Amino acid sequence: GAVVSQHPSRVICKSGTSVKIECRSLDFQATTMFWYRQFPKQSLMLMATSNEGSKATYEQGVEKDKFLINHASLTLSTLTVTSAHPEDSSFYICSARDNANTIYFGEGSWLTVV
Amino acid sequence: AQKVTQAQTEISVVEKEDVTLDCVYETRDTTYYLFWYKQPPSGELVFLIRRNSFDEQNEISGRYSWNFQKSTSSFNFTITASQVVDSAVYFCAPTNFGNEKLTFGTGTRLTIIP
Repeated sequence: GAVVSQHPSRVICKSGTSVKIECRSLDFQATTMFWYRQFPKQSLMLMATSNEGSKATYEQGVEKDKFLINHASLTLSTLTVTSAHPEDSSFYICSARDNANTIYFGEGSWLTVV
Repeated sequence: AQKVTQAQTEISVVEKEDVTLDCVYETRDTTYYLFWYKQPPSGELVFLIRRNSFDEQNEISGRYSWNFQKSTSSFNFTITASQVVDSAVYFCAPTNFGNEKLTFGTGTRLTIIP
């Protein structure tokens, strides 16, 4: 099956700093990728839709200036958490659709802000 | 808009028993996809199956089987002869054709007791 890779898998950053998470489709091109957030023992909440070559579409309640999304190529989307605070600590995971309309997820990234 | 209900929050069964995870969904779309994912403690989402709304054939893959009942908007997942490695949170998620946004329910936490 298609592979979506995320990096880093775990990151710890200091409060007030920014951290970037990468999402790559390894063997297919993805014009659209999705970023989700998951708090412990909760479901996945869609944050935004990342569109290659254009601005991301954010879900209601998600601060676009805080969660910067860039989809620079057909295989790479990045999520940057700016001025991170402890409440941003969470599990972030991306997804992409392959040519067979199957949606694959990355391995996810655990962010801890201290 | 779509909605999914996984009424079973947590299930525990003894190893080798069969277990069925329920999924009931709501959608106004006439054509859609239904997905099941497994999320082990490590966090990644493992793709299990994608079902088209116009294909009501049940599917079997090894110890896994799925029962799709469009008339009752259900897409239940059965694991036969459960194993400890099946312990995970399982998510059912619908999406409409051409839209990769998945709608997640709260998931079902399955624990297989050795």
